[in-house]
Amino acid sequence: QKEVEQDPGPLSVPEGAIVSLNCTYSNSAFQYFMWYRQYSRKGPELLMYTYSSGNKEDGRFTAQVDKSSKYISLFIRDSQPSDSATYLCAMEVAPGNTGKLIFGQGTTLQVKP
Amino acid sequence: ETGVTQTPRHLVMGMTNKKSLKCEQHLGHNAMYWYKQSAKKPLELMFVYNFKEQTENNSVPSRFSPECPNSSHLFLHLHTLQPEDSALYLCASSQVGTGEGTDTQYFGPGTRLTVL
Repeated sequence: QKEVEQDPGPLSVPEGAIVSLNCTYSNSAFQYFMWYRQYSRKGPELLMYTYSSGNKEDGRFTAQVDKSSKYISLFIRDSQPSDSATYLCAMEVAPGNTGKLIFGQGTTLQVKP
Repeated sequence: ETGVTQTPRHLVMGMTNKKSLKCEQHLGHNAMYWYKQSAKKPLELMFVYNFKEQTENNSVPSRFSPECPNSSHLFLHLHTLQPEDSALYLCASSQVGTGEGTDTQYFGPGTRLTVL
């Protein structure tokens, strides 16, 4: 069983749709949960980061962590064509700051105008 | 130059060639990483250098040889590669060991490697 599972997609939605991206994980020691966004021909860049359980909102993006279900989500409201990219979830055990991130395989999202 | 830069951006090599990938970070970080990214697979951490010392080698074949001469530069030396080594090789840097909280890793654009 992979430590982190992510549906690779591709996921295609119309502009303005609400997008839900998800990851499941098996290691209950993970405490830090991140979402990276990777545009074509670019390296990944950190989009959002959440510690332990709960929600975090940043503009049109909401990150949600459910540790009891070992499940994390990224919601994108009012999706735009510029959101078209690959979204990778990543996780790290406590105390963090170790440099050892475990990534999912990434979900490719296409938002059509 | 800002952030993390990688050269070359594209590389085609034969199985008997020797080549090197270069990474430079302009962020003052103390840790640098090499990752391999293949289609439909998670990012695979290959090597970690923390304060210029290699702290992680995730069972990477010896045909990949890293070098970190200082905290700003990282190389990946390649020799006698196989076609299955074709992938995007990403370099990243971060500031580790500064207390609790995850480190944000900053990635370069990657080198697209094709092994014939």
